[in-house]
Amino acid sequence: GENVEQHPSTLSVQEGDSAVIKCTYSDSASNYFPWYKQELGKGPQLIIDIRSNVGEKKDQRIAVTLNKTAKHFSLHITETQPEDSAVYFCAASIRGAGSYQLTFGKGTKLSVIP
Amino acid sequence: SQTIHQWPATLVQPVGSPLSLECTVEGTSNPNLYWYRQAAGRGLQLLFYSVGIGQISSEVPQNLSASRPQDRQFILSSKKLLLSDSGFYLCAWSGQDTIYFGEGSWLTVV
Repeated sequence: GENVEQHPSTLSVQEGDSAVIKCTYSDSASNYFPWYKQELGKGPQLIIDIRSNVGEKKDQRIAVTLNKTAKHFSLHITETQPEDSAVYFCAASIRGAGSYQLTFGKGTKLSVIP
Repeated sequence: SQTIHQWPATLVQPVGSPLSLECTVEGTSNPNLYWYRQAAGRGLQLLFYSVGIGQISSEVPQNLSASRPQDRQFILSSKKLLLSDSGFYLCAWSGQDTIYFGEGSWLTVV
């Protein structure tokens, strides 16, 4: 089955700096890659996703890049703010008929220092 | 728009007592439904998923069970809780691709 590795497990950045979280996946058939943000005591919330027919996607201060050949994808947060502090999860899946499952990375705890 | 409701938000239960967590989804039909657990660490562990009424798949053997009595209702149960059942339980749903999570239920078994 699919295996997703996420690095780093913890990340501290100064406010205003950029943060990058990287994930690798094992199944070359995976074609959908979402990112979730989980604030303390809350459920994970989807913040951005990318499909395998796209190499990069941006939404204001966040962007995701995908390298299908190398089987890795990354989350980039620019101009970080204290409210970006949270745990971030990457995930990978194969879209198809019937049931659908995501394989998650183990998460990255991002701390933005004011 | 679609919404997901999960309750109760927090509960403290003694060892050996039963458990029932409920989840409903609004604004969509025939969703895939999921129960995840998040222990003291950060990882998300898939417990059960369902592709339709009465159809439950278990990912992890344990003393928990799940049921889907209605299209948009998913229930997580236990007859006798263990200390190791403590954690943060998340209900989720998906349509075509993305999974959306509820706000979670904190369970402490004492």
